[in-house]
Amino acid sequence: DVVMTQSPLSLPVTLGQPASISCRSSQSLVDSDGNTYLNWFLQRPGQSPRRLIYKVSKRDSGVPDRFSGGGSGTDFTLKISRVEAEDVGVYYCMQPTLWPPVTFGQGTKLEIK
Amino acid sequence: EVQLVESGGGLVQPGGSLRLSCAASGFTLSNYWMTWVRQAPGKGLEWVANIKKDGSETYYVDSVKGRFTISRDNAKNSLSLQMNSLRAEDTAVYYCAREIAMAHWGRGTLVTVSS
Repeated sequence: DVVMTQSPLSLPVTLGQPASISCRSSQSLVDSDGNTYLNWFLQRPGQSPRRLIYKVSKRDSGVPDRFSGGGSGTDFTLKISRVEAEDVGVYYCMQPTLWPPVTFGQGTKLEIK
Repeated sequence: EVQLVESGGGLVQPGGSLRLSCAASGFTLSNYWMTWVRQAPGKGLEWVANIKKDGSETYYVDSVKGRFTISRDNAKNSLSLQMNSLRAEDTAVYYCAREIAMAHWGRGTLVTVSS
C-alpha cells in the first residue's frame, strides 16, 4: 500500500501570512498514462471534506487562487499565499493512482495564531 | 448542482448489521465510479470501498472485506453500503463521494457500534 506522509501535522499561521504543507508518498504517483494523481482536501470544522486540488496542481471550481499545488513523483506541496480565517481546518492529501487501496495522509491542522 | 445525501446511520450493537444509502442528484450516476469513505471520531479519513460505473467491479479496504458490500442502482440514482458483523472500530461518519478522485462529497451519516 502507498503510505502518504504529511508534515507538519499542526500549522499555526498568522492571518495574511503564507502557509505550506508537505505530502510525501512511499511510491511514485506517476500513472501509466503519464499523469500524476495527487489530490488535496480541506475539511473545515464540522463540515465534510472538500476537494481543493486534483492532479497535483489543478484547482477545483470555486477554489481561490491563493491555493496552489505542486510537486512531482513522491514529493508534493500545498501552498496558501495569504492565509484567511476561512482556511482553518484539516488538510489531507490523497492518492488515487496506485489503488486499491486509495490512501490519505494523516491530515494537517491549520489554525490561526 | 451535484448533491449526495447519505442516510441509514444509527446505533447498532456489535455483530449487527446496517445498510447505508446515498441518494445522488444533479448528475448521471451511471457515468461515474462511486466511493465510500469513513472518519472515526477525531480521526482522519479512510477509504472504504469503490464501485465501477456499471457495478461490475468492487474494491474494499482489507478491514471490511467479507463484511461490507457496496452496490448501486443507477436507475434509482442510489448507492448503498451493506455493513454486516459490525465492530466497535467501524464507528465513524460514513461519506459517499463521486469518483475515485472524490470531487464531490455528501454530508455523511454517523454509524455507532456499541452495546
